[in-house]
Amino acid sequence: GAVVSQHPSWVICKSGTSVKIECRSLDFQATTMFWYRQFPKQSLMLMATSNEGSKATYEQGVEKDKFLINHASLTLSTLTVTSAHPEDSSFYICSATSGGAVRYNEQFFGPGTRLTVL
Amino acid sequence: KQEVTQIPAALSVPEGENLVLNCSFTDSAIYNLQWFRQDPGKGLTSLLLIQSSQREQTSGRLNASLDKSSGRSTLYIAASQPGDSATYLCAPRSNDYKLSFGAGTTVTVRA
Repeated sequence: GAVVSQHPSWVICKSGTSVKIECRSLDFQATTMFWYRQFPKQSLMLMATSNEGSKATYEQGVEKDKFLINHASLTLSTLTVTSAHPEDSSFYICSATSGGAVRYNEQFFGPGTRLTVL
Repeated sequence: KQEVTQIPAALSVPEGENLVLNCSFTDSAIYNLQWFRQDPGKGLTSLLLIQSSQREQTSGRLNASLDKSSGRSTLYIAASQPGDSATYLCAPRSNDYKLSFGAGTTVTVRA
């Protein structure tokens, strides 16, 4: 299957700082990328969907000014958590799919980034 | 809003036994359904993708069935091994193009 990478795999930061997480599709062009967060023992919650070159679409309740998403190329999307606070500590996972018909295509996930805000 | 339920929540079996994982979803208007595996602290690995027009999909020891009209999918894992221990997630893709996730079934295969 296709490979999606994330960097960093874990990060610890102080409250009030910003953190950037990168998501790359290594062997395919990702026309659409998704960002999820997952709390311990819970399932994945979709945060936003982004198409290359377009603004991200955020799910209800997700602050777009706090979670900045940039999908600048067909292989790279970034999530920046601005002014992070302890409640932002979570496991962030990106996902990507290729091709024009998103609804029919397999979705591939990255290995996740563990964010801890002190 | 799509609601996904996975039963059982946890399963522990001896090595060699066959596994049956159930998934039900409330909105049958789906494009496809994916089964994933998640190891602790890791991302998701795609196991199988079934399009809405398909009834079944197989990959090695894995077989997934889909009954779209009744909102059900089942993942069968034959001759389980300790390496199959993980959490299994099913995710139907609804007509808003998004995957919805259940809470998963955590499988432990005892050697």
